[in-house]
Amino acid sequence: GAGVSQSPSNKVTEKGKDVELRCDPISGHTALYWYRQRLGQGLEFLIYFQGNSAPDKSGLPSDRFSAERTGESVSTLTIQRTQQEDSAVYLCASRPLAGGSGEQFFGPGTRLTVL
Amino acid sequence: AQSVTQLGSHVSVSEGALVLLRCNYSSSVPPYLFWYVQYPNQGLQLLLKYTSAATLVKGINGFEAEFKKSETSFHLTKPSAHMRDAAEYFCAVSPGATGANSKLTFGKGITLSVRP
Repeated sequence: GAGVSQSPSNKVTEKGKDVELRCDPISGHTALYWYRQRLGQGLEFLIYFQGNSAPDKSGLPSDRFSAERTGESVSTLTIQRTQQEDSAVYLCASRPLAGGSGEQFFGPGTRLTVL
Repeated sequence: AQSVTQLGSHVSVSEGALVLLRCNYSSSVPPYLFWYVQYPNQGLQLLLKYTSAATLVKGINGFEAEFKKSETSFHLTKPSAHMRDAAEYFCAVSPGATGANSKLTFGKGITLSVRP
């Protein structure tokens, strides 16, 4: 079946511009996560959505970062006024609510380069 | 608060040799532990997971890991390395499997190289 997809796969932008990154989770997965992977670092948690509950935004690094998700479908991560330190691979993951194994299924990521 | 330590950033082994990738964790509650692998230009793929059942966990591609509470470790091993095992490996921990407890805290990752 189809996995988690993300678009674009690569994005190059100029400092100060806004960018939108998209994530299509696996159909039926109610939980959705965004992570950031900076060069030489592990993944950092950004935000978590579960169904219609209020999202857990505790990992967002600044108010320039925001994310939306409508129901159990697509999510968009928006970075406003991008800075060079925002350059990273942004990974999305989804997980079914039922089942207690905790496995998250990851997309291929969006590589963001801020010039 | 949770944390994961993966000592060293790079491990190199010969084909056919034992693979040992170390992971130590810190958790205030019984943890859920995971090893993910990332092949070049691909997303993360789950290798194996520990969720409070058997302490010796077997995963895909011949990998296994042992949960040792007394040592707060979850080291990844494979008896005989293949060239295709060359990738980056991430250890991760979460306090639970559902809700906000399910968010993962990752180590910095270890790059495994396999020499012919």
